[in-house]
Amino acid sequence: SQQGEEDPQALSIQEGENATMNCSYKTSINNLQWYRQNSGRGLVHLILIRSNEREKHSGRLRVTLDTSKKSSSLLITASRAADTASYFCATPPSSNTGKLIFGQGTTLQVKP
Amino acid sequence: GAGVSQSPRYKVAKRGQDVALRCDPISGHVSLFWYQQALGQGPEFLTYFQNEAQLDKSGLPSDRFFAERPEGSVSTLKIQRTQQEDSAVYLCASSHRRVSNSPLHFGNGTRLTVT
Repeated sequence: SQQGEEDPQALSIQEGENATMNCSYKTSINNLQWYRQNSGRGLVHLILIRSNEREKHSGRLRVTLDTSKKSSSLLITASRAADTASYFCATPPSSNTGKLIFGQGTTLQVKP
Repeated sequence: GAGVSQSPRYKVAKRGQDVALRCDPISGHVSLFWYQQALGQGPEFLTYFQNEAQLDKSGLPSDRFFAERPEGSVSTLKIQRTQQEDSAVYLCASSHRRVSNSPLHFGNGTRLTVT
C-alpha cells in the first residue's frame, strides 16, 4: 500500500523554469525523504527533512514540510533537461526499521 | 563495489518457471530491502533484512516469494512458479543503519518479464 501521494502525476516545463511537486501522507512521521529515479535506473536519495523542520535547501532543491496538513513540497529551481526524471516522496511507517513507504511519483519532463 | 549491484539486469521467464534475483549491497550496510515496482508506479515494499535476520516480510505477495540473506551480505529473492502478474522491476536497497532517517541506496533493479 502507498502512504504518500504525489501531485501532479506528470509535469512538463521548459528549461529554466521552476518545478513544484507535492506529496501528501497519512500517518504521523519523524521524517520525509525525496528520491529521484531516471528512466531504467534505481532511485537516488535527494533530501531528508525531519518532522521538526519546516524547510530545507540543497543546491537547487527546496523542500517544505507541513505536519499539520501532512504534506510536503519539492521545488526545483532553474530546471535543466537533466532534471527530467520521476520524483518520489517516502516516509517511514510507525515501526522504526528504516523501511520506507513510497508514493506514486511525479514524472517531470524538462524541455530544452 | 561503489554501489548496490543487482543481477541479472533483465530476466524473461516462462509462466511457471522459478527465478532467482541477486542483490549485492554496499559493503558494511546492515539493512537490506527488496521492493517491487510496477510500470508507472512507486516502489512497493516486499521485505527487509537486518544483517542475516529477515525482520519484516509483510510485503511479500504470496508464498511463492522467498528471500534470504544467509551471511548478512548478498541477498537473493526467489520467485517460484512465476505468474504474469509478477512482471515488474525488482529493486534492492541497502542502508548502513537500521533507523528511519538513514537514506536508502538503490541498485538499478532487475526487470522481470513473465511470458
